[in-house]
Amino acid sequence: AQSVTQLGSHVSVSEGALVLLRCNYSSSVPPYLFWYVQYPNQGLQLLLKYTSAATLVKGINGFEAEFKKSETSFHLTKPSAHMSDAAEYFCAVSETGNQFYFGTGTSLTVIP
Amino acid sequence: ETGVTQTPRHLVMGMTNKKSLKCEQHLGHNAMYWYKQSAKKPLELMFVYNFKEQTENNSVPSRFSPECPNSSHLFLHLHTLQPEDSALYLCASSQDGLAGNEQFFGPGTRLTVL
Repeated sequence: AQSVTQLGSHVSVSEGALVLLRCNYSSSVPPYLFWYVQYPNQGLQLLLKYTSAATLVKGINGFEAEFKKSETSFHLTKPSAHMSDAAEYFCAVSETGNQFYFGTGTSLTVIP
Repeated sequence: ETGVTQTPRHLVMGMTNKKSLKCEQHLGHNAMYWYKQSAKKPLELMFVYNFKEQTENNSVPSRFSPECPNSSHLFLHLHTLQPEDSALYLCASSQDGLAGNEQFFGPGTRLTVL
């Protein structure tokens, strides 16, 4: 069975500081992994996805994530936080296309 | 219109009302999805349609009834809802049902059941 765990439902960082949002997954086969961002009153927008090519995946808005099979992790990072990064972030895993399993989300606050 | 659109954006209804949510995708995709998003809970997949055929129904109560007349449109018909059904309902689409294809989401309908 697949599942996703996002450690930390709330993360606060100072503007310009490193952003690290954690995601661990469980999957019986090599999975497809995704990070989505949700701004207030909007739907989810894809940040990046891992599909078994490079283990370091670069996404939009300066975000990137590294797939670590040994740790079953897919943490999201950004070197320098901007105020506009404040949003809800969701990690998701998929083995088959129709079934996405989402984590409970991490709310990112950026402190000026 | 581009991407995935949903109407209405907000809906307030009583428990005895009947209403419908509409989703339209302008991406040429063949798979469409309904999700329920409640506070502090993971997104819950409700229904999946592939090429207009329903392929998933994740134990959703019968008071929710989906309809997919073509690959571009998806409806969620609501009747005799309960207050615990209040949530954000998100529609999504993907190229098809194959693994690795990302899902594109609409802005959602915020539903409040009184």
